[in-house]
Amino acid sequence: QVQLVQSGAEVKKPGASVKISCKASGYTFTAYYMHWLRQAPGQGLEWMGIFYPSGGSPRYAQKFQGRVTMTRDTSTSTVYMELGGLRSEDTAVYYCARERDSTLYFDYWGQGTLVTVSS
Amino acid sequence: EIVLTQSPGTLSLSPGERVTLSCRASQSVSSSFLAWYQQKPGQAPRLLIYAASSRATGIPDRFSGSGSGTDFTLTISRLEPEDFAVYYCQQYGSSQGYTFGQGTKLEIK
Repeated sequence: QVQLVQSGAEVKKPGASVKISCKASGYTFTAYYMHWLRQAPGQGLEWMGIFYPSGGSPRYAQKFQGRVTMTRDTSTSTVYMELGGLRSEDTAVYYCARERDSTLYFDYWGQGTLVTVSS
Repeated sequence: EIVLTQSPGTLSLSPGERVTLSCRASQSVSSSFLAWYQQKPGQAPRLLIYAASSRATGIPDRFSGSGSGTDFTLTISRLEPEDFAVYYCQQYGSSQGYTFGQGTKLEIK
């Protein structure tokens, strides 16, 4: 069955970086796009960017350009999202989510990773 | 930039009732680009409806979606206890990417 398993919770200080992993299984890793989204406490969902495991340049939401980097390790079917210059407003649950071939919706989600930014 | 506005913010209903949730776009949205998700506390969102009216795999047929242009709805024909959650609509726009409504919370009356 399809699974997206994310790395565990992180606590970071302002100005630091965080790198979260999302390990995919149960499907052909390179056949689907991977997205990163986040949800601040008690808030709605915010899209951060899309990564193409088969290759090609990721596309980042304008709000995060310059601070976010998405990468992959094809050998382990894992996608990574690194967010730098952390501030308290970045405290959120971060999700990876899969998209099938330009269908424009997310059919499977990771379990979420809580990132807390606090001095 | 297209903004999605969901209404109402919170609904208090009883199991067995029928409910219709609204998602209004600030500009016309292609039906192919509109999806609905359910999120329960402490869980990731779950895809319910894609392309405005197609049910995702494993979603009960009490869930249905409809609409076009700027007005979309999600209907639950008979509320089950497990349906009390937050519901989000989502659209894709070529300029801003993927955006969500602010959510509608269904709570038990």
